[in-house]
Amino acid sequence: GQSLEQPSEVTAVEGAIVQINCTYQTSGFYGLSWYQQHDGGAPTFLSYNALDGLEETGRFSSFLSRSDSYGYLLLQELQMKDSASYFCAVRDRRAGTALIFGKGTTLSVSS
Amino acid sequence: DTGVSQNPRHKITKRGQNVTFRCDPISEHNRLYWYRQTLGQGPEFLTYFQNEAQLEKSRLLSDRFSAERPKGSFSTLEIQRTEQGDSAMYLCASTRTGEETQYFGPGTRLLVL
Repeated sequence: GQSLEQPSEVTAVEGAIVQINCTYQTSGFYGLSWYQQHDGGAPTFLSYNALDGLEETGRFSSFLSRSDSYGYLLLQELQMKDSASYFCAVRDRRAGTALIFGKGTTLSVSS
Repeated sequence: DTGVSQNPRHKITKRGQNVTFRCDPISEHNRLYWYRQTLGQGPEFLTYFQNEAQLEKSRLLSDRFSAERPKGSFSTLEIQRTEQGDSAMYLCASTRTGEETQYFGPGTRLLVL
């Protein structure tokens, strides 16, 4: 089967940098995605890694190590509006094109 | 087109009743997904359509659940004989073949009393 592990909660202050880790187990790994979800809102796509290395998109970066079955989301220059849940998700060839999500990490940013 | 839309946004029903939800994907997206999300959990895959064909179904999708996408555009998800355990947020997402990003709608929050 497939499983993903990520911390349940992270707290930080405005302007700080935070890293949310994700480890996964799948039988046919295809790629790792990150989604952000504010309370009561829809998940929104942040980034996708299919190959090892770092992908940077503005204040957010995502990293993948396929050999370690590990990835992380790095959020820089934190703002209050970054307070949300962050989900890592994998595509698994055996599961087709659907995403398999972790349980999410709740990020709380304080002033 | 402003994104994926879902209706209704909220539904309260009594146990044993049938409910139907609608999803309108982004117009040029040929792939449509239904997910279910409960409090404190990530979305869980239910089913997937490519155009009008239902290509994948999760084992979570019991025989009380049925989904359709008759013309390859909007989709409906019906739950028959609802149970309290069906209470959840039902999310729809769409994308194009070859694109990794899935675009989610705002969801339908179902409460079964």
